[in-house]
Amino acid sequence: DAMVIQNPRYQVTQFGKPVTLSCSQTLNHNVMYWYQQKSSQAPKLLFHYYDKDFNNEADTPDNFQSRRPNTSFCFLDIRSPGLGDAAMYLCATSRERLAGVYNEQFFGPGTRLTVL
Amino acid sequence: AQKVTQAQTEISVVEKEDVTLDCVYETRDTTYYLFWYKQPPSGELVFLIRRNSFDEQNEISGRYSWNFQKSTSSFNFTITASQVVDSAVYFCALSEAHAGGTSYGKLTFGQGTILTVHP
Repeated sequence: DAMVIQNPRYQVTQFGKPVTLSCSQTLNHNVMYWYQQKSSQAPKLLFHYYDKDFNNEADTPDNFQSRRPNTSFCFLDIRSPGLGDAAMYLCATSRERLAGVYNEQFFGPGTRLTVL
Repeated sequence: AQKVTQAQTEISVVEKEDVTLDCVYETRDTTYYLFWYKQPPSGELVFLIRRNSFDEQNEISGRYSWNFQKSTSSFNFTITASQVVDSAVYFCALSEAHAGGTSYGKLTFGQGTILTVHP
C-alpha cells in the first residue's frame, strides 16, 4: 500500500545532541511537509518542499533544518535539541492537482522525540 | 490572515449518541479548501474529508456527515450513533489557494476537539 513512513517512531536524545528524523513516501507526491506537534496543541508547520524547492516558515527556529535528497525521502535535522523541542514530529505529503490546487495531505505516523 | 476556531475543547458522550463538532473559519480568499482530520491515540493524522469553497453540498459518509455553510463560515462535522472507536482528537483545517499557487497547500489547523465516547 502506498504510504508515508517515518523512522524512528520514538527517538530519545540528549540536550544539545544532534538528531535526524526521516520520512519516506511511496505516493510519488511532489510536496512534503514537516510539522511539530506539542502536547494538546495543533500541528505547527515548520517547512515544506515543493519538489526540490525548500520553503521555511518565518517562525521556524534556525535549529531546525531539512534535506530532501530525492522525491521519496525527506529528513528533519535538529542541530542542538533543547528541552522545548520535545514533541511529535509529523511528516506529510501532497500532490499538486492543478496549478496552485493541492490535494489533501497524507500524514505519517509521526516520531515522538524526547530530549533528556 | 486565515484562522480556524474549534470552540469545543472536549466533548464526552455515551456510545450511540450523536455528536456534532463545530468549526468556524476566517479567510480573505474566495477560493479555499476545508478539511477534517482524525488523530487517534496512536498519533497519526487520518484524512476524513476535503471540501472546496464552491461546493456547499452537505456530504454523508456512513456515520459521518458534514455541513458546510459559507454564510456563517462554518464547516461542522456530525458523527451519528457514536462508537468507542470514534474517540480521538478531531482537527478542522483550512487551506487557501492564493493567486499564483503560492500557498502550496499549507494547512491552518484549529486547536482540535477531544472526543471521548464512553461504552
